[in-house]
Amino acid sequence: SYELTQPLSVSVALGQTARITCGGNNIGSKNVHWYQQKPGQAPVLVIYRDSNRPSGIPERFSGSNSGNTATLTISRAQAGDEADYYCQVWDSSTFYVFGTGTKVTVL
Amino acid sequence: QLQLQESGPGLVKPSETLSLTCTVSGGSISSSSYYWGWIRQPPGKGLEWIGSIYYSGSTYYNPSLKSRVTISVDTSKNQFSLKLSSVTAADTAVYYCARHKDTGYGMDVWGQGTTVTVSS
Repeated sequence: SYELTQPLSVSVALGQTARITCGGNNIGSKNVHWYQQKPGQAPVLVIYRDSNRPSGIPERFSGSNSGNTATLTISRAQAGDEADYYCQVWDSSTFYVFGTGTKVTVL
Repeated sequence: QLQLQESGPGLVKPSETLSLTCTVSGGSISSSSYYWGWIRQPPGKGLEWIGSIYYSGSTYYNPSLKSRVTISVDTSKNQFSLKLSSVTAADTAVYYCARHKDTGYGMDVWGQGTTVTVSS
């Protein structure tokens, strides 16, 4: 089965840049999507197909994907960016797979 | 604006079947190129995709749950449903329904989620 590995937690100073990684075997060949989930709320899609932002998502959110690692970058981090973040891919044998999730703390 | 709303019993007994419905409003479940999926999240844990269905009825299921899952669609009611059989305490979770455009796209619209507890 296909697995996606994320760091348990990432801390970032207010106004600085946070980078959240998502590791998977040859993930660069797949489309990666990223979700933000705040406590008690449903997930929100923030990046789709590696680097595309849905309407309404700030430009501060960006994504990249190459080799065995995909990365979600949050620039100029704000207090409102504190949340859990999940990556997701579609794999031909496992179908939709979510990453393990990363808790982002803004200091 | 498209909205999804989950509904169903909040408490299910062990060994019984969990049944949930997702009602789509503000758009048609028969829209081409869109799939409709179920995702769950056990307390304090991460997201787990359960399965997805196209309006025509074709389905994809999580291999780890496939033997217990059935997802169906009722286009006349603009709803799709989840049935999970032989539940145990491990199936206790918040269950979400969501929309995604084909299998290479993310899930762009989500329901608010409904909590299901498996307990006698």
